[in-house]
Amino acid sequence: DAGITQSPRHKVTETGTPVTLRCHQTENHRYMYWYRQDPGHGLRLIHYSYGVKDTDKGEVSDGYSVSRSKTEDFLLTLESATSSQTSVYFCAISRDGLAEQYFGPGTRLTVT
Amino acid sequence: AQSVTQLDSHVSVSEGTPVLLRCNYSSSYSPSLFWYVQHPNKGLQLLLKYTSAATLVKGINGFEAEFKKSETSFHLTKPSAHMSDAAEYFCVVSDEAGNMLTFGGGTRLMVKP
Repeated sequence: DAGITQSPRHKVTETGTPVTLRCHQTENHRYMYWYRQDPGHGLRLIHYSYGVKDTDKGEVSDGYSVSRSKTEDFLLTLESATSSQTSVYFCAISRDGLAEQYFGPGTRLTVT
Repeated sequence: AQSVTQLDSHVSVSEGTPVLLRCNYSSSYSPSLFWYVQHPNKGLQLLLKYTSAATLVKGINGFEAEFKKSETSFHLTKPSAHMSDAAEYFCVVSDEAGNMLTFGGGTRLMVKP
């Protein structure tokens, strides 16, 4: 398995609170991605990073921000959580933009 | 923009019989295509990928897929299903730069004893 960990693995939070999810990799891959998975939608890209401090928006970026201050860490922040952000969040990494992506174990987030 | 359609949301087969999971794609360029598998409460694992080399791609666990440009299809097959194949399968296409993956809605494969 690719060396990707996500923390926390499960979280329950209240509407309106900020939440930060962490993705950590030990592969020294350049690209990192955040996805959300919802029934019937497959996975949808939220944000991605192509290097330290270099990030870009994906398909469903509204309400989310990201930061990457080190190669190994990619943080996803929900500035003010809403019930529509209840989902399973997956981090992925790839060596470069053309290579296959490897996925972490996921974080199940519930916003009440 | 690219898109992916998985034609069946659920497929049920008996153990030992062939598996066919259907995927059609839409792309304005020569795409890279992938199949990923997700077992319950697990992350996604790459099964195989097509990147414009051989049109028949072999993956892990006996799965293979054939790229057919004329039909814009990338169907996943396995000659003989095993109980451990029960999972959700995603067909995926990348954008031209390779930065962004677009996922199909998934096909849940059930394997009956």
